[in-house]
Amino acid sequence: KAGVTQTPRYLIKTRGQQVTLSCSPISGHRSVSWYQQTPGQGLQFLFEYFSETQRNKGNFPGRFSGRQFSNSRSEMNVSTLELGDSALYLCASSSGTGGAPGELFFGEGSRLTVL
Amino acid sequence: AQTVTQSQPEMSVQEAETVTLSCTYDTSENNYYLFWYKQPPSRQMILVIRQEAYKQQNATENRFSVNFQKAAKSFSLKISDSQLGDTAMYFCAFMKTGTASKLTFGTGTRLQVTL
Repeated sequence: KAGVTQTPRYLIKTRGQQVTLSCSPISGHRSVSWYQQTPGQGLQFLFEYFSETQRNKGNFPGRFSGRQFSNSRSEMNVSTLELGDSALYLCASSSGTGGAPGELFFGEGSRLTVL
Repeated sequence: AQTVTQSQPEMSVQEAETVTLSCTYDTSENNYYLFWYKQPPSRQMILVIRQEAYKQQNATENRFSVNFQKAAKSFSLKISDSQLGDTAMYFCAFMKTGTASKLTFGTGTRLQVTL
């Protein structure tokens, strides 16, 4: 069974540009969540999508957005990039159903550098 | 809002020895889950162990066990018979019931297992 796949793995952008990151969840998983990991702020929750609907959202500015497609693949977009957006962006998938939270399966991340 | 505190930025243990990683959290919630995640160098984050707050019995997974003290809001991880492959960043995380996939992470403890 293939794991969570994130693309691209590495990318470099300049301030003011925008970026789109992609995440393909484990087959059958309907929940995809995104996290930002930085040395200063640690791991912070961005948002979660379930069946194409945003179900939870963290405390990030509107420049950070996401979406989920009918095949559960998800994308996140960051517009008007700032230096502080440099981070490892992690995607995690889970079944997302049932009363108890399912195990989150993480991808290897997309490392974004903003110059 | 919830906070998770890991007061040990780095720890070292010899192979075959036992080590305990500390985690405290602060919440006003009564129903929640606690997790320990492991992030090996340049590899995916994986779930080590999880604990439901309503369960008094401490969770165990092979060489990994927790000491969950709900009143003290403490959730430590004990690794027995440490192996070189246990070298990683370990993150303690909190999830409020009903907020599937929205984890609040601690800052992590870097564990080095030595020969």
